[in-house]
This record gives sequence, C-alpha cells and structure tokens, in this order.
Amino acid sequence: AQSVAQPEDQVNVAEGNPLTVKCTYSVSGNPYLFWYVQYPNRGLQFLLKYITGDNLVKGSYGFEAEFNKSQTSFHLKKPSALVSDSALYFCAVRDREGTYKYIFGTGTRLKVLA
Amino acid sequence: GAGVSQSPSNKVTEKGKDVELRCDPISGHTALYWYRQSLGQGLEFLIYFQGNSAPDKSGLPSDRFSAERTGGSVSTLTIQRTQQEDSAVYLCASSLLRAEQFFGPGTRLTVL
Repeated sequence: AQSVAQPEDQVNVAEGNPLTVKCTYSVSGNPYLFWYVQYPNRGLQFLLKYITGDNLVKGSYGFEAEFNKSQTSFHLKKPSALVSDSALYFCAVRDREGTYKYIFGTGTRLKVLA
Repeated sequence: GAGVSQSPSNKVTEKGKDVELRCDPISGHTALYWYRQSLGQGLEFLIYFQGNSAPDKSGLPSDRFSAERTGGSVSTLTIQRTQQEDSAVYLCASSLLRAEQFFGPGTRLTVL
C-alpha cells in the first residue's frame, strides 16, 4: 500500500536561513512525487513534482526537492527562507504502475520568523 | 484560463439533512478527485474519477457519501443524513493523466 510520512508537524526557521521540510514515502513501484503548499484560507497550490529524470527538481517560489530512491525520500528545500513562505506544506505520492490515487502526507506547518 | 471551481463556498446545515457539493474541473482534465480536510488535519482521499472508468470509491467513509460525475465534467458529492463529524472543508481537484492536481478553493461544510 502507498503511504507518505511527514515526520514534523511544524518547522520553524529564521528568515534568510535555509529550510528543509521532510517527506518519506512507500510505494510498491516507482513513484510520482509532489509538493503542494496551502496558504491560510486558500486552496492548495502545486509547487513541484518528480516524474522521471534529474533527481533534483526545481519548482515555484525558489523551492526545490531531491528525489532519493535509496532513502525513499523527497525533502523540500529552499536556500533562503522568506516570511511569506510561512504556510502548510503537503507531500503527495502516486504509484506510477498502480491506480491514479494520490496519497497525501499529514502536512508540515512552516513558520519563518523575521 | 479558469481554474477548478466549487460551490457553495460555505454550507451550514442541520444534522440529518442532505447536502450536495459541486465541483467544476478544468476543461479537458480527465481525472477528478474529492478530498476532505478537517480542521488542522491533512487531506483525506474520498473518491476519484478517471475518464470513463469506474470511479475509485475506496475513500468514502460511509454509505451516506456518494459522488457522480456527469459527462466527464461536473461532479457532485452528496452527503446524506449529515452528522456533526462530517464538518470539514471538502476539496475538489482535477488533473491530466500523470500530472499534478489543480485544486479548487473548497467548500466549508458545517453541520449543526
């Protein structure tokens, strides 16, 4: 069965510092991996995805994520955090050989402190 | 272009009443998903539709929940005999095959 784990409910980081939001996954085959962001009182917005190819993927707003197959991880990173990055971040996975169902993590609240 | 739209944006109902939530996906998107997000919680998968295939209903929490998608476009999620634990934000998303999902703004359901 597919599963996604976001081990941290909340991550606090000072503005200007690098940030990492962790995600690990479990699928029976090879995964499609996604990150979404949810700002207060707004819907989810797509940030980036890994489908195939380069393990380092770059997305919106300066975010990037690295697919690590051996560690089954897809951590979200940004070199320099902004206060405006404060939001709820969701990792999602889909088994490319399986169904079209996406499984979302429980979310990590990122708080960037000025 | 237009994104995913959902209506109503807010719905307050009394326990035991039926409600219908509507989702208009992005034109041409073959896949449509419904999720439920309770306060401070993650996304709970409910159901998805893919083209003309039978929907995957494995996430529906009870037989009070049902959904249909007419003409491969608009979808309606129906909750019968609502309970207070049904209170949540119901999110709809659509996508092309193997692509990222585009989410609507959600319907906030409150069952009194």
